[in-house]
Amino acid sequence: GQQLNQSPQSMFIQEGEDVSMNCTSSSIFNTWLWYKQDPGEGPVLLIALYKAGELTSNGRLTAQFGITRKDSFLNISASIPSDVGIYFCAGFYYGQNFVFGPGTRLSVLP
Amino acid sequence: EAGVAQSPRYKIIEKRQSVAFWCNPISGHATLYWYQQILGQGPKLLIQFQNNGVVDDSQLPKDRFSAERLKGVDSTLKIQPAKLEDSAVYLCASSYPNDRVNEQFFGPGTRLTVL
Repeated sequence: GQQLNQSPQSMFIQEGEDVSMNCTSSSIFNTWLWYKQDPGEGPVLLIALYKAGELTSNGRLTAQFGITRKDSFLNISASIPSDVGIYFCAGFYYGQNFVFGPGTRLSVLP
Repeated sequence: EAGVAQSPRYKIIEKRQSVAFWCNPISGHATLYWYQQILGQGPKLLIQFQNNGVVDDSQLPKDRFSAERLKGVDSTLKIQPAKLEDSAVYLCASSYPNDRVNEQFFGPGTRLTVL
């Protein structure tokens, strides 16, 4: 079945730094979603992408739908302590269901 | 707008016992999903309902897991009997079908520990 890979698995950054993470697959998708999950909570939707090449922002977050439709990228600018958590990508292809990646764990050092 | 509600938040049982989880989706959301999230992994879809009908249950271990959404609103997921490997967080999500894709909104989850 379809599988997603997320890179990096975990990252430690200083407050104020920018963050980049990506999600890749061997299959193409029609939609990419990015979620953030805090400890003890369910994932919260951050950004949804529907078209190859699309670039969408949500505050300090920017995500892009890769041109090949097999990848997506998430950037966080000027990180703050509350950015700590696990970031999941999820891919969707018509007629199938969402597939989630294994997550990128972000830690922000003061 | 109230979010997706789940109960209980935590459950500890012994293997071979039974357990049930409850989910109430966001009002008006026709689609309901149950996911299993094992520690350190992303959520894995178990079952998807559209109103009270099952759309996809291909990854539901049907020998021990069952789910229902009788009136097309709230839903129950049951495990009988539980195994050690069922220890996980069980997430419920709901979505309102639109022209694009079902953007899913998640509940807080039920953390199950099987001893």
